[in-house]
Amino acid sequence: DIQMTQSPSSLSASVGDRVTITCRASQSVSSWLAWYQQRPGKAPKLLIYKTSTLEDGVPSRFSGTKSGTEFTLTISSLQPDDFATYYCQQYNSYPYTFGQGTKLDIK
Amino acid sequence: QVTLRESGPALVRPTQTLTLTCTASEFSLSSRGMSVSWLRQPPGKALEWLARVDWDDDKFYSTSQRSRLTISRDPSKNQVVLIMTNVDTVDTATYYCARTGPGLQPFDLWGQGTLVAVSS
Repeated sequence: DIQMTQSPSSLSASVGDRVTITCRASQSVSSWLAWYQQRPGKAPKLLIYKTSTLEDGVPSRFSGTKSGTEFTLTISSLQPDDFATYYCQQYNSYPYTFGQGTKLDIK
Repeated sequence: QVTLRESGPALVRPTQTLTLTCTASEFSLSSRGMSVSWLRQPPGKALEWLARVDWDDDKFYSTSQRSRLTISRDPSKNQVVLIMTNVDTVDTATYYCARTGPGLQPFDLWGQGTLVAVSS
């Protein structure tokens, strides 16, 4: 199975901050990497797929990049609505695997 | 409105069999390229993918759970069913179904989830 190592596990930041979350795959997943946002008690919501493509309706302050097997989610200027938990997921091969999550809370 | 909805028991006893149903609305699970997966999330923990069934009835399973899982489609009801045998307390989780489109695609539509507790 492909292991997805996500860091940090938690992050405190303020409105307006730029934050970066990293996800490293244990082997190549090509560009088949997605990011999800999950609010407490809610289902995950797709933010970004194929490394850097924003899902319809997702604000442009979210962006995704890749370097080798390391993927990055960046939020350029945090908004109050962004405080949530974020997960990466590879869908290059079965079994699909997720990172352990990054909980982003207000400093 | 295009939705997925999970249903099943809220409480299951250890060693019993858990049956969960995912019902799709306003789209067909039999559409070419459509797939539905089951995933779960124990309280306070990460997401785990369990199984997937494709429009053409191909099936894929989690490496660690495959011996206990059966996924199937009922096209007449536009439903996907997951059966998990011999449940244990560690199977306590919110169970989600989610949709993927043709080819290599992420989960673009999720159900609201159903919380299943395994307890004696």
